[in-house]
Amino acid sequence: GESVGLHLPTLSVQEGDNSIINCAYSNSASDYFIWYKQESGKGPQFIIDIRSNMDKRQGQRVTVLLNKTVKHLSLQIAATQPGDSAVYFCAENRGGGFKTIFGAGTRLFVKA
Amino acid sequence: GAGVSQSPSNKVTEKGKDVELRCDPISGHTALYWYRQRLGQGLEFLIYFQGNSAPDKSGLPSDRFSAERTGESVSTLTIQRTQQEDSAVYLCASSPQAAQGQPQHFGDGTRLSIL
Repeated sequence: GESVGLHLPTLSVQEGDNSIINCAYSNSASDYFIWYKQESGKGPQFIIDIRSNMDKRQGQRVTVLLNKTVKHLSLQIAATQPGDSAVYFCAENRGGGFKTIFGAGTRLFVKA
Repeated sequence: GAGVSQSPSNKVTEKGKDVELRCDPISGHTALYWYRQRLGQGLEFLIYFQGNSAPDKSGLPSDRFSAERTGESVSTLTIQRTQQEDSAVYLCASSPQAAQGQPQHFGDGTRLSIL
């Protein structure tokens, strides 16, 4: 069925290194993608989004890349910090915008 | 308010009881969403409101689940005759309107445990 999923369920990185979290989606009609960060006991927090007419978008220390050819999305975190430790979800909207489909999540561990 | 507020933060109840979960969205946000998150899993869409109406109820798992919203503000999610499989964190989010390009702002959820 249609889904948004992740290649790696867990990722462990050294503090200061760059992190890359990957996500695959199956519906080529999806046109808006979002990354959320969820810390333990908290609700998801918006990080960055990208529309399908773009292939790259940058924020503060984060970059999202979209490859529509292979239906792949990635989140890059520069100079990863202990505070970046969390579960990261990619999510998609399929035209109309109200219904967001979330992937299963990747847990990021940052080692000091 | 400053953010989305949900209450209670934790709820433990016996199987078969009814529960009501409350969500106070960010003031002025017309769109409100409910999700369910089972342990270690992603978010499962339940229902959304645009104003006080719910155009899409397709995510509600069964007729034991219902939700309402009044005054384009507070929403309650009600689960009747709770079952153990209802145990999860129930998350509420709001956005200025139900449109693309409007990130959802989440509360911290209600952790529901059915004994």
